[in-house]
Amino acid sequence: AQKITQTQPGMFVQEKEAVTLDCTYDTSDQSYGLFWYKQPSSGEMIFLIYQGSYDEQNATEGRYSLNFQKARKSANLVISASQLGDSAMYFCAMRDASSGTYKYIFGTGTRLKVLA
Amino acid sequence: DAGVTQSPTHLIKTRGQQVTLRCSPKSGHDTVSWYQQALGQGPQFIFQYYEEEERQRGNFPDRFSGHQFPNYSSELNVNALLLGDSALYLCAAAASSTDTQYFGPGTRLTVL
Repeated sequence: AQKITQTQPGMFVQEKEAVTLDCTYDTSDQSYGLFWYKQPSSGEMIFLIYQGSYDEQNATEGRYSLNFQKARKSANLVISASQLGDSAMYFCAMRDASSGTYKYIFGTGTRLKVLA
Repeated sequence: DAGVTQSPTHLIKTRGQQVTLRCSPKSGHDTVSWYQQALGQGPQFIFQYYEEEERQRGNFPDRFSGHQFPNYSSELNVNALLLGDSALYLCAAAASSTDTQYFGPGTRLTVL
């Protein structure tokens, strides 16, 4: 069975500093996708970044990068130059790409607080 | 902008009642999924609709049912509401040729 583990319930980071949010996953599938979403207190899940299991390079989207280590089954999110608006819940998710469905498995999330 | 709209924003019901939640994806997004997010938890997959058919279902009872319309919009129906159904219900949409789902703002359901 697929599983996502986020071991950091909460994190603090100083404004303008970089922060890494941890995510490990478990799957027996060869083709899968890994995602990070941001959820502010308003509730909407905002897509941040995607990494396919066959992508050789780590994904980057602006200040977000995904540190993908396939052998260790980890997909950590790195946020550079943190801003106060980055304070939110962050969820790591996985999709079984070979199944053709959009069933995502989510972790329990990490609450990030950016300090001024 | 994910372009996914959901209605209503908030809803309060009592046990035993029935509720219908609505979702409209943005143009070109033909696959719609529904998720339930209890307080302090990650979202849990309820089911996915494509071409007006339920394609996959998560571990939810038959009280949860859905529908997809020809314009790709979707409804989630929950019958015989229980207190434990109180949650944020998120709709997610994707173009079937892509990997990424985009979520709507959610409907917060409270069951008293």
